[in-house]
Amino acid sequence: QQPVQSPQAVILREGEDAVINCSSSKALYSVHWYRQKHGEAPVFLMILLKGGEQKGHDKISASFNEKKQQSSLYLTASQLSYSGTYFCGTALEVVSGGYNKLIFGAGTRLAVHP
Amino acid sequence: EAQVTQNPRYLITVTGKKLTVTCSQNMNHEYMSWYRQDPGLGLRQIYYSMNVEVTDKGDVPEGYKVSRKEKRNFPLILESPSPNQTSLYFCASSLSGTGAGNTIYFGEGSWLTVV
Repeated sequence: QQPVQSPQAVILREGEDAVINCSSSKALYSVHWYRQKHGEAPVFLMILLKGGEQKGHDKISASFNEKKQQSSLYLTASQLSYSGTYFCGTALEVVSGGYNKLIFGAGTRLAVHP
Repeated sequence: EAQVTQNPRYLITVTGKKLTVTCSQNMNHEYMSWYRQDPGLGLRQIYYSMNVEVTDKGDVPEGYKVSRKEKRNFPLILESPSPNQTSLYFCASSLSGTGAGNTIYFGEGSWLTVV
């Protein structure tokens, strides 16, 4: 049930773009994205609901493809501060309740260098 | 300031000695949750709670208990800790769950070592 994140790691130069994917084999109710820096708590980035919506947060945006049960996180013109591990968390679509159970991917390590 | 506060932040304990990790939020949030984080496995949900006296199992509830007697507090109880429960634990909260309009706030984490 754990969503699959790809790639596992990315190395960028400042200003380059990156895409991180999160795929599930189950029908999803929502997808969350978080960034975690080493030794710190995860920081919430955004929630996407089924319906194919796209959201943005500064130069970080995400989409949710309901047909593929896949979400992608887009990091444009990367900055040094973008370095960290990115996690997607998925909540399954269930008939009654239970959609507040979050299952996280293993994470994608992103390193941005000058 | 919006906060999720966990205590203790660091703990070394012995196998079988009951311990409680406290979690408190000051945002009047309905939803609270516990996670453990282990290298290569990411975050795994232990338990979550939608409101007072309403709790449910996450992905890895074995060996843990929780209670939600007050809205602001959601303690994690290890009745008989074992070495495989050595991990980094996070408490989190949000206004009303994992749906639209929610921001999930995490505590700073509690490093637990069981020897």
